[in-house]
Amino acid sequence: DTEVTQTPKHLVMGMTNKKSLKCEQHMGHRAMYWYKQKAKKPPELMFVYSYEKLSINESVPSRFSPECPNSSLLNLHLHALQPEDSALYLCASSQIWGLTYEQYFGPGTRLTVT
Amino acid sequence: EDQVTQSPEALRLQEGESSSLNCSYTVSGLRGLFWYRQDPGKGPEFLFTLYSAGEEKEKERLKATLTKKESFLHITAPKPEDSATYLCAVQPLTGNTGKLIFGQGTTLQVKP
Repeated sequence: DTEVTQTPKHLVMGMTNKKSLKCEQHMGHRAMYWYKQKAKKPPELMFVYSYEKLSINESVPSRFSPECPNSSLLNLHLHALQPEDSALYLCASSQIWGLTYEQYFGPGTRLTVT
Repeated sequence: EDQVTQSPEALRLQEGESSSLNCSYTVSGLRGLFWYRQDPGKGPEFLFTLYSAGEEKEKERLKATLTKKESFLHITAPKPEDSATYLCAVQPLTGNTGKLIFGQGTTLQVKP
């Protein structure tokens, strides 16, 4: 089973709201990723967690706050977002990073900021 | 600078008309090259991993090949359900990270 699940599928939020995106995998992967994808563009890496510790932050604004409660779960907390943050947010997981292991993506959360 | 370029940007084929998608890369050492398929509004679906020049992998109507400078995704006798955006990504050898460098993608449309 190579399934990564994400909830919710769609999210509409105002600029003053606080919301969270959730991601779960049960493949035993120890690396998890958050990506942002705009229309007709490739995924853009935001954060990488390795062994539940944040290992890469691609200079993402602090209004995005990631959390990895355990090896199967990944959250992305959202606060005071801007309309330009509207995008498809993708979660991915892979076997231990540093080696060549493919990343498996979830279906994504379509976020609209009004 | 590590870079991935995919061509063409868009490709229209008739059903049954075979063709190839190109992924050219410049990287300071290749750890692996990945092909993904992405349907509109959905997450990328993993297709293949290629590690070294000369390697080939097949899945149904798709065949991926790798040289030292580029990879090809050959589509044989495509069907309308093969319509999607195909993404190529490389993982550089340098740096102990899982960071991938993506190309811009090729959007394939197969008409019946």
